[in-house]
Amino acid sequence: GENVEQHPSTLSVQEGDSAVIKCTYSDSASNYFPWYKQELGKGPQLIIDIRSNVGEKKDQRIAVTLNKTAKHFSLHITETQPEDSAVYFCAEVKGGKLIFGQGTELSVKP
Amino acid sequence: EAGVTQFPSHSVIEKGQTVTLRCDPISGHDNLYWYRRVMGKEIKFLLHFVKESKQDESGMPNNRFLAERTGGTYSTLKVQPAELEDSGVYFCAITGALNSPLHFGNGTRLTVT
Repeated sequence: GENVEQHPSTLSVQEGDSAVIKCTYSDSASNYFPWYKQELGKGPQLIIDIRSNVGEKKDQRIAVTLNKTAKHFSLHITETQPEDSAVYFCAEVKGGKLIFGQGTELSVKP
Repeated sequence: EAGVTQFPSHSVIEKGQTVTLRCDPISGHDNLYWYRRVMGKEIKFLLHFVKESKQDESGMPNNRFLAERTGGTYSTLKVQPAELEDSGVYFCAITGALNSPLHFGNGTRLTVT
């Protein structure tokens, strides 16, 4: 089908801990995987993306890994801060449009 | 998001009424998308414009929804007549090229009572 499975749906961590969100996609031909962060009252904002020709990409405290064989990709946030609290969405591009996961509500407790 | 302006930010209407949502993107972006998020669920694709033409409207729920993009600039999404299940946040997004990042507006929160 056209689903991207995302887990967990909610995640609560202590400030300074790491957070990991995982997604599984279905189309082996997919080659672009963005992650979006949505804060309250705002639209989703791109935070990092990865293309299928690499296995990992890092940007400061955020990293994304891609396992094409297993059709998994994951978001890793290290040294979490309260301002990381938001809803995170993974996505794959299929048929010229983004197919999103169900979202993960991340709460970082100070 | 500075590149995409949506209004209204909130709309509360009664079942059976009509509502029109508007999206004003900055110029130079041929691809314009509408998405919707119903409470607690994924962000779902509604349709895709390339300039003024509908490239893909496979996500439109039914014929109560009508989208237009006049002259390939701003876009409107009209719901007529609105039903309770139409409640959610409607996002507009733009990109210059396919397989490039989408830039979203802040969305319109629609509540149908």
